[in-house]
Amino acid sequence: TQLLEQSPQFLSIQEGENLTVYCNSSSVFSSLQWYRQEPGEGPVLLVTVVTGGEVKKLKRLTFQFGDARKDSSLHITAAQTGDTGLYLCAGVNTGKLIFGQGTTLQVKP
Amino acid sequence: DVKVTQSSRYLVKRTGEKVFLECVQDMDHENMFWYRQDPGLGLRLIYFSYDVKMKEKGDIPEGYSVSREKKERFSLILESASTNQTSMYLCASSLAGAPDTQYFGPGTRLTVL
Repeated sequence: TQLLEQSPQFLSIQEGENLTVYCNSSSVFSSLQWYRQEPGEGPVLLVTVVTGGEVKKLKRLTFQFGDARKDSSLHITAAQTGDTGLYLCAGVNTGKLIFGQGTTLQVKP
Repeated sequence: DVKVTQSSRYLVKRTGEKVFLECVQDMDHENMFWYRQDPGLGLRLIYFSYDVKMKEKGDIPEGYSVSREKKERFSLILESASTNQTSMYLCASSLAGAPDTQYFGPGTRLTVL
């Protein structure tokens, strides 16, 4: 069974701070996705990383795929209150998504 | 924009009731999925369908069934609801050519008393 471990599960920080969320597995994935989910809504895809070592940036968010395609990280620079939400990573294999447990981020003003 | 809608945002049912959760997508997607989301467990795949009348079991199909009579509609059925099926249920859809790019509905929060 493929598993994705996300850490930390909860994060509460002040506006302006930086943070990193990790997503680790012992399995190799063809690609890895990051989602953000707000209360009362479904997850929304932020990015897909495909190549080992790939780095993608989305404004203040930086996503990295590990060289061996088993792990990934999401780094947020100068967090804002609008970044508050649940962040989910999902490994892709044979057309199915395997989700991590999620990281709940609270950014306080 | 892709739109995935779910029939109810909140639902309260009693143990033993038959429960239908409906999902409709408006972008002619071939693939449709049902997940449940529980705190600390992420999203887990219950059933999916790659075409009308077709269905495949996901990772946790026990206690659930599905129906896909039309391309745009995918229903999740709880034959006899139990308290351990209290959860957030999320529907998603994707194109056959891009199965990994899934669009999610807003979810149905089901409480079974």
